Amino acid sequence: KQEVTQIPAALSVPEGENLVLNCSFTDSAIYNLQWFRQDPGKGLTSLLLIQSSQREQTSGRLNASLDKSSGRSTLYIAASQPGDSATYLCAAESNDYKLSFGAGTTVTVRA
Amino acid sequence: DGGITQSPKYLFRKEGQNVTLSCEQNLNHDAMYWYRQDPGQGLRLIYYSQIVNDFQKGDIAEGYSVSREKKESFPLTVTSAQKNPTAFYLCASSAVGTVQETQYFGPGTRLLVL
Repeated sequence: KQEVTQIPAALSVPEGENLVLNCSFTDSAIYNLQWFRQDPGKGLTSLLLIQSSQREQTSGRLNASLDKSSGRSTLYIAASQPGDSATYLCAAESNDYKLSFGAGTTVTVRA
Repeated sequence: DGGITQSPKYLFRKEGQNVTLSCEQNLNHDAMYWYRQDPGQGLRLIYYSQIVNDFQKGDIAEGYSVSREKKESFPLTVTSAQKNPTAFYLCASSAVGTVQETQYFGPGTRLLVL
């Protein structure tokens, strides 16, 4: 059974600092690795999706890397802003379209 | 406006009562999912459906039931057999068989026990 872990559980940084969020998974036989954002009391919004054959994906200030052999993915957020404050979840998708989620990292960006 | 709607936003359940959470999508997606989210935990899959009139149990299906009579609708019933139903429930949908497709989530329903 796929186990997904995110460390740390919470992170607080001053505005302008770069953010590094970590995600690890136990089964490297994944279809893709996805990063989501969740605001308090809201649903999830997809940020980036990395196919198993890819090493990274970029969207604006966000960059996500994937190392299947070590079971790790990292989300980088450059020049953080207060609007980046949210919980970030990673999820590993198996070949039957099922997602296994980590518990998330809650980020606070201080103005 | 394409998307997923869930209702109600808040739902209160009395002991021994069954309650039904609504999920509707107009994205023309074949697959739909129900997740449960508890504080400090990741989302856990309750049920999923990849086609109308067919659905499968996820990791925590006990105490829940679903139906998929229409492509756009996937209601979840929390039965009295679910002893700890207080949680945030999220519905999602996705296309099936598309390499770059992600899951799209609704705004969620918070279920509380009276």
